[in-house]
Amino acid sequence: DGGITQSPKYLFRKEGQNVTLSCEQNLNHDAMYWYRQDPGQGLRLIYYSQIVNDFQKGDIAEGYSVSREKKESFPLTVTSAQKNPTAFYLCASSIGTQVENIQYFGAGTRLSVL
Amino acid sequence: RKEVEQDPGPFNVPEGATVAFNCTYSNSASQSFFWYRQDCRKEPKLLMSVYSSGNEDGRFTAQLNRASQYISLLIRDSKLSDSATYLCVVSSGYSTLTFGKGTMLLVSP
Repeated sequence: DGGITQSPKYLFRKEGQNVTLSCEQNLNHDAMYWYRQDPGQGLRLIYYSQIVNDFQKGDIAEGYSVSREKKESFPLTVTSAQKNPTAFYLCASSIGTQVENIQYFGAGTRLSVL
Repeated sequence: RKEVEQDPGPFNVPEGATVAFNCTYSNSASQSFFWYRQDCRKEPKLLMSVYSSGNEDGRFTAQLNRASQYISLLIRDSKLSDSATYLCVVSSGYSTLTFGKGTMLLVSP
């Protein structure tokens, strides 16, 4: 089955804790993205990666970190510096980053603070 | 600054009705346009790309008006399963997808 797998589906974070959200794709896509969605809001770009070992900040990168050691994987760490982490986190991928490339999404991870 | 604006709705329509959504965008350099569908608490899924010539996919028709900077989506013969939030998405460059907040559609029996 080709697609994008995000895990876990639900995640709870304690104060001061870093947590890592997993995103794996087997679509052979070069580009991967992380978005955050808050209730009633549009998706906002956190980080994106066009190629292995390279990534760029999006609009709301503060308090987050990523890595891209493998083409298939793009994990997102929500650090303790992110003071309002409760949100729906969506990972996406596309063949490349040209404007016409369509982004496909994983099922998302819901993060809440305990 | 609102880059992509949509009426949040909800649009309440009976089954079989025709309903239309509009979306306006502020960046005149925008190059690609999409409609995504998002069900409650699920991920967005591509509904259709929007081309200058307009395009149709079954009951769905999308139009682009570059001069007025708006995109439309028309749904004919609405089904209960069409109930969802429809996201207008605009691309202005590499990796730059801007999402509207979405328009909610509720189709009732």
